[in-house]
Amino acid sequence: AQSVSQHNHHVILSEAASLELGCNYSYGGTVNLFWYVQYPGQHLQLLLKYFSGDPLVKGIKGFEAEFIKSKFSFNLRKPSVQWSDTAEYFCAVNGYGGYQKVTFGTGTKLQVIP
Amino acid sequence: NAGVTQTPKFRVLKTGQSMTLLCAQDMNHEYMYWYRQDPGMGLRLIHYSVGEGTTAKGEVPDGYNVSRLKKQNFLLGLESAAPSQTSVYFCASSSRDRGLNEQFFGPGTRLTVL
Repeated sequence: AQSVSQHNHHVILSEAASLELGCNYSYGGTVNLFWYVQYPGQHLQLLLKYFSGDPLVKGIKGFEAEFIKSKFSFNLRKPSVQWSDTAEYFCAVNGYGGYQKVTFGTGTKLQVIP
Repeated sequence: NAGVTQTPKFRVLKTGQSMTLLCAQDMNHEYMYWYRQDPGMGLRLIHYSVGEGTTAKGEVPDGYNVSRLKKQNFLLGLESAAPSQTSVYFCASSSRDRGLNEQFFGPGTRLTVL
């Protein structure tokens, strides 16, 4: 069975601070990894994904994530956050094995203070 | 393209009432999913479908039924609503292609059971 763990439940940062959100997964085989964002009152949208190849993945709005296979991690980073980044962020894993069932983490609420 | 649409957007039910939530997607995706989102619990998979005419149970299927009679539609039914089913329900769809398998989410249905 696959699982995802997000270590930070609530993060508060000032504008221009750097961001790193932790995500660890467990699955024994090949995986696809995702970060989704949910802005207040909206549905989830894809920020970035890792499918294969370069483990450093760049997404929208200046976000990036690095897949470290040996650590089963896929941490999300942004060098300088903005107030508009206030949202909830979800890490997700899809273990590749015949059918697609994506497991989501419990989410991290990011609050950026102007 | 409309993407993934859900109806209704809001609904209030009394305990014991029934209702059906409709999800439609116009991206010709093979896979469709129903999630519920509750504070502090992230997204939990209720049921999913890997193709027309097939459905399967997710993490929290009790009290819900689903049907996928047409590829583009995925219905979620509550036969006898309970207050514990008060939640925000999201439908999602994805392609079978591993390289394109990010999930696209609908806008959500906020359901309150009194």
